[in-house]
Amino acid sequence: GQNIDQPTEMTATEGAIVQINCTYQTSGFNGLFWYQQHAGEAPTFLSYNVLDGLEEKGRFSSFLSRSKGYSYLLLKELQMKDSASYLCAGLDSNYQLIWGAGTKLIIKP
Amino acid sequence: NAGVMQNPRHLVRRRGQEARLRCSPMKGHSHVYWYRQLPEEGLKFMVYLQKENIIDESGMPKERFSAEFPKEGPSILRIQQVVRGDSAAYFCASSPPYNEQFFGPGTRLTVL
Repeated sequence: GQNIDQPTEMTATEGAIVQINCTYQTSGFNGLFWYQQHAGEAPTFLSYNVLDGLEEKGRFSSFLSRSKGYSYLLLKELQMKDSASYLCAGLDSNYQLIWGAGTKLIIKP
Repeated sequence: NAGVMQNPRHLVRRRGQEARLRCSPMKGHSHVYWYRQLPEEGLKFMVYLQKENIIDESGMPKERFSAEFPKEGPSILRIQQVVRGDSAAYFCASSPPYNEQFFGPGTRLTVL
């Protein structure tokens, strides 16, 4: 079966760094997406990885290891506005997104 | 280029009534996806459509729910004889082929 696993909730301190992990099992693999979703709002696209390695985009970076079926989202210099759910999603061989349940990130002052 | 549009943003129905949710994809996007999200829970895939075709409806309940994406006009998610358990946020997303999905603002359905 297809499955995306990520922690349910994480807590971090303003100004710190946090890493949100995601492991995936998909039928075929065409890439890994990260989305951010603030409470009551729609998900918004953060990153897409299809090759191994780290992709950096400002304060956010995303890493992929295809051999390990593993990705992480790294958030630096955390701000209060980063409090949100972070959704990991794998694109399978049919180019359909398989979604994780999301990681709720709580930022404390 | 307008983003994905959904209407209504909020919909209140009494048990037994019908709910119709509309989604207009971004210009140039031929793929539409519908998701349901309960409070404090993740996105649950419902159905994936291309123009005039249902590609994958594996996440759609077998009864009372239907979806269409006609040649002209928005995609429609229809829920017949709504029950309290249908209360949720329903998100529509669109994409070009094999690419990231862009989400609409969602329709929040409340069943009284």
